[in-house]
Amino acid sequence: GIQVEQSPPDLILQEGANSTLRCNFSDSVNNLQWFHQNPWGQLINLFYIPSGTKQNGRLSATTVATERYSLLYISSSQTTDSGVYFCAVVNYGQNFVFGPGTRLSVLP
Amino acid sequence: EPEVTQTPSHQVTQMGQEVILRCVPISNHLYFYWYRQILGQKVEFLVSFYNNEISEKSEIFDDQFSVERPDGSNFTLKIRSTKLEDSAMYFCASSGTFYEQYFGPGTRLTVT
Repeated sequence: GIQVEQSPPDLILQEGANSTLRCNFSDSVNNLQWFHQNPWGQLINLFYIPSGTKQNGRLSATTVATERYSLLYISSSQTTDSGVYFCAVVNYGQNFVFGPGTRLSVLP
Repeated sequence: EPEVTQTPSHQVTQMGQEVILRCVPISNHLYFYWYRQILGQKVEFLVSFYNNEISEKSEIFDDQFSVERPDGSNFTLKIRSTKLEDSAMYFCASSGTFYEQYFGPGTRLTVT
């Protein structure tokens, strides 16, 4: 089945810094979504982005489907951005395959 | 904005007991899913459901598990005889179009 990798596994930032999270996948995808898992365990849907670029406030994402990667940009990070960021893809069928996540800690 | 809801938020049960986790998907969605996340691990697919039947399931979804859409709004996951290793966060999701999925807040299941 499709493999999903995320880097870096852990990231520590000072408040106000910018960061880039990466998701690589091993096959073509029909869907790609980025999620933020907050400290309470909830999965917050950030972007539905099988291709192209989207922006939402301080966050933006780009997926280059032909090269099998996606990037999540966080600008001017805040402590509330802390948590785990997951990339998830649909290769065939309907189910998501999740990556292992990037754990982000934003320090005040 | 419409959202997926799940109840209860936390369920504690004894090994061997049956549990039912409940989800209310977004009202006009047609595809429904259950995923689970064991503490500290990644999210794993369990099952997808469309047109009142299972459309896809993973190896995890064995005979201990079942899903049902008992009425027009609820979508349930039943675990017949819980084991310690069933302790996890269980997420329900739904989609209207085939691909974009919306996740509920999760039910944390603790089996003692």
